[in-house]
Amino acid sequence: DAKTTQPNSMESNEEEPVHLPCNHSTISGTDYIHWYRQLPSQGPEYVIHGLTSNVNNRMASLAIAEDRKSSTLILHRATLRDAAVYYCILSIYNQGGKLIFGQGTELSVKP
Amino acid sequence: EPEVTQTPSHQVTQMGQEVILRCVPISNHLYFYWYRQILGQKVEFLVSFYNNEISEKSEIFDDQFSVERPDGSNFTLKIRSTKLEDSAMYFCASSQTSLDTGELFFGEGSRLTVL
Repeated sequence: DAKTTQPNSMESNEEEPVHLPCNHSTISGTDYIHWYRQLPSQGPEYVIHGLTSNVNNRMASLAIAEDRKSSTLILHRATLRDAAVYYCILSIYNQGGKLIFGQGTELSVKP
Repeated sequence: EPEVTQTPSHQVTQMGQEVILRCVPISNHLYFYWYRQILGQKVEFLVSFYNNEISEKSEIFDDQFSVERPDGSNFTLKIRSTKLEDSAMYFCASSQTSLDTGELFFGEGSRLTVL
């Protein structure tokens, strides 16, 4: 399974942008890049996903490097509610919905 | 907003007992999944289910585990003879399209404690 590498933890101040990095140097051409987050005592929650182009949605932006070996999740204005563990995950094409979660990045947001 | 619901929220059982965890996926979704998370550890994939059959399963999903969609709305995970190491939070998820193009919606989880 293709692996991702993320920092164990990051800190941010409320209302400031947050850039969460992810390295996935062994990504293959058909692997999608997914980001999920898990708030304390809750199930994982979808944030965003993409293949090659940068993606934006109401929660975040995903910037994908041209060689696809890394990506960055951007939260434009962090709120206290964004404190969570953020997972960068590669899905293997046509492998039946198997997300392989790593340890993720624990984001703390200071008021 | 539609959501995936799971019951029970917490179940305590004795080792060797059978357990059924229930999930009601979002109504127009076609793909269904079970994941689990042992306390303090990573979220782990168990099984995916589409068109009334298992699409993919992990090595954790051995003969003690089974899934069923008995009536078109519920999606169940059965553990035939629970072991201590089955204690975990079990998450059900569903999606409208395949994972590559869609998002998974997770439930709040069912906590299983095996004594």
